[in-house]
Amino acid sequence: EDQVTQSPEALRLQEGESSSLNCSYTVSGLRGLFWYRQDPGKGPEFLFTLYSAGEEKEKERLKATLTKKESFLHITAPKPEDSATYLCASPSGAGNKLTFGGGTRVLVKP
Amino acid sequence: EAGVTQFPSHSVIEKGQTVTLRCDPISGHDNLYWYRRVMGKEIKFLLHFVKESKQDESGMPNNRFLAERTGGTYSTLKVQPAELEDSGVYFCASSSGLSLFSGANVLTFGAGSRLTVL
Repeated sequence: EDQVTQSPEALRLQEGESSSLNCSYTVSGLRGLFWYRQDPGKGPEFLFTLYSAGEEKEKERLKATLTKKESFLHITAPKPEDSATYLCASPSGAGNKLTFGGGTRVLVKP
Repeated sequence: EAGVTQFPSHSVIEKGQTVTLRCDPISGHDNLYWYRRVMGKEIKFLLHFVKESKQDESGMPNNRFLAERTGGTYSTLKVQPAELEDSGVYFCASSSGLSLFSGANVLTFGAGSRLTVL
C-alpha cells in the first residue's frame, strides 16, 4: 500500500532560522510528489510538483527537492507568514488520487 | 477565476441525522474529488467524478455515504445516518485534467466543510 510519511510533526522556528521538512514515501513506481500549504480553516494550497529524482523547485523562501526515496521542503530565513501546515502527497492508483502524509505544522515566531 | 466553493463551512448534527455537503468546482473542471480528514489522521481520498460519472469510489467508507454530481457541475455528499466517527473536515477539489501523473494537472481544493456529529 502506498504510504507517505512526514517529519517532524511540528516545528517551531524563530524568524530567520532556516530548516527543512522531510517527506518519505513508499510508492511503487513513484510518479510525482506534490507539496501543499494549508492555513487554519482553509483547504490545501498547491505549492510544487516534483517528478524526477534530482528535481528542485523554488518559490520565495521555499525550495523543494526530490530524491528516489524522499523529498525535502527547505524554508530559508522564514517569516511569521510562513507559519502553516505543509503537506506532501503522492499520486496513486490510476493517477487520479493523492495519498497524503500527515503534515508538518510550522510555527515561525517573530 | 472563482475557486472551489464548499457549503456549509461547518455543520453540527446529532448522531442518526442526515447531512448534505455541497461542492461547486472551478468552472470547466470535469474532474471533481472528495477527500476527508478525520481528527489526527491524514487527508484521505473518498471518490472521484469525471463529469457526472463516478470514476473511482474506492475510498468511500460505507453505504451511508452517497455522492452525486448531476449534470456534471456541482456535487453533493450526503451522509445518512451520520455516526460519531464521521466527524471531520470534508474537502472537495477539482482539476481540468484526469491524470495527476501529468505535470499539467493540479488539484485545487476548497476550504472544506467541517462536520461535527454529536
